[in-house]
Amino acid sequence: GDSVTQTEGLVTLTKGLPVMLNCTYQTTYSPFLFWYVQHLNEAPKLLLKSSTDNKRTEHQGFYATLHKSSSSFHLQKSSVQLSDSALYFCALSGASSGSWQLIFGSGTQLTVMP
Amino acid sequence: NSKVIQTPRYLVKGQGQKAKMRCIPEKGHPVVFWYQQNKNNEFKFLINFQNQEVLQQIDMTEKRFSAECPSNSPCSLEIQSSEAGDSALYLCASSHANSDYTFGSGTRLLVI
Repeated sequence: GDSVTQTEGLVTLTKGLPVMLNCTYQTTYSPFLFWYVQHLNEAPKLLLKSSTDNKRTEHQGFYATLHKSSSSFHLQKSSVQLSDSALYFCALSGASSGSWQLIFGSGTQLTVMP
Repeated sequence: NSKVIQTPRYLVKGQGQKAKMRCIPEKGHPVVFWYQQNKNNEFKFLINFQNQEVLQQIDMTEKRFSAECPSNSPCSLEIQSSEAGDSALYLCASSHANSDYTFGSGTRLLVI
């Protein structure tokens, strides 16, 4: 079945440094990938999405490129801010199930220090 | 502010009690999902609907939950007999295609 893997559970960085959060996926169908950000006690909010191979997508300083050859959709930012501290989830639209179900990774907690 | 409205925000129930939560999906979104997010922040898919029909649900949902999405009324998810392990954040999301999902703020259930 479809799956999403996020290798880092916890990332701690100093403000101003770059960050990359890893996301790889498995699916037998044409993938639609998402990054969601969830602040404490809030709903997950869409950060980025893509289904186009090798095209960079950007929003609020974050960017990601879907690489179908390596089944990856890593999230990057060149300079993190204190307000970026949150949970980040990579997700895949589960086309193979036929139900449009979103398959989530385990999440990465990003903490940005002053 | 989310376009998916979930109520109540918090719910406290005793073990064995029913626990009911509601969701108004984003206008124009025919597909509604319920997810359970546990204390480890893991998402578990529970059930989804297209219009009023169940598309898919997991075994636990079929046995212990009651869910519906009637036309012109909020969708609902009800645990028939709450257990301590049901304590979690219940998230409703709606979609009109596999490229566009909107989440509500969730109902945080505590079973004591």
